[in-house]
Amino acid sequence: NAGVTQTPKFQVLKTGQSMTLQCAQDMNHEYMSWYRQDPGMGLRLIHYSVGAGITDQGEVPNGYNVSRSTTEDFPLRLLSAAPSQTSVYFCASRPGTGESQPQHFGDGTRLSIL
Amino acid sequence: AQKITQTQPGMFVQEKEAVTLDCTYDTSDPSYGLFWYKQPSSGEMIFLIYQGSYDQQNATEGRYSLNFQKARKSANLVISASQLGDSAMYFCAMREGPRDYKLSFGAGTTVTVRA
Repeated sequence: NAGVTQTPKFQVLKTGQSMTLQCAQDMNHEYMSWYRQDPGMGLRLIHYSVGAGITDQGEVPNGYNVSRSTTEDFPLRLLSAAPSQTSVYFCASRPGTGESQPQHFGDGTRLSIL
Repeated sequence: AQKITQTQPGMFVQEKEAVTLDCTYDTSDPSYGLFWYKQPSSGEMIFLIYQGSYDQQNATEGRYSLNFQKARKSANLVISASQLGDSAMYFCAMREGPRDYKLSFGAGTTVTVRA
């Protein structure tokens, strides 16, 4: 009963490095999304996907790329890390229908950019 | 403009007492949904309760209830009989539109339950 699994849990990068945050869900959910959480600002949507092969930008997409080749996986790529991307990143998923369905969140990835 | 406003950065409540967390929202869409999440110090996001814009009754889920005042655009969370394990950050979030599942979050309220 894994739900939404994020890896890694912690990561330290140097400015300019690239990396991919992994997200996988085993609930056959069509909708997946990435948020970042910064102090005093709640969670802000980075990118989201309504199904395999379909992605779109959220509120703060700059500096991030996503792809959705399978229903299960939704990786988030930082192409050239910047200190402003230091944050806690959450992946979430939910079924494609049902207005009352909540989003199920992973445990988060704490990312520090030096 | 902020879509979700939580005006209380932090609150203290005595164990076994009730606490109300404020949430106001801004949308022109007649179809929307409001969610409350709990984030304990361990960091995970836990779904608590949901209120739809067309729901006739206030949502309840165990010790959690929603005071939904549609005309005032407020959806306050009430936690009854507070327990030490209720100490956490609480977020209000909104979905706008019948098939748009993106969530807008408030800044959160930290609740500390005192013994």
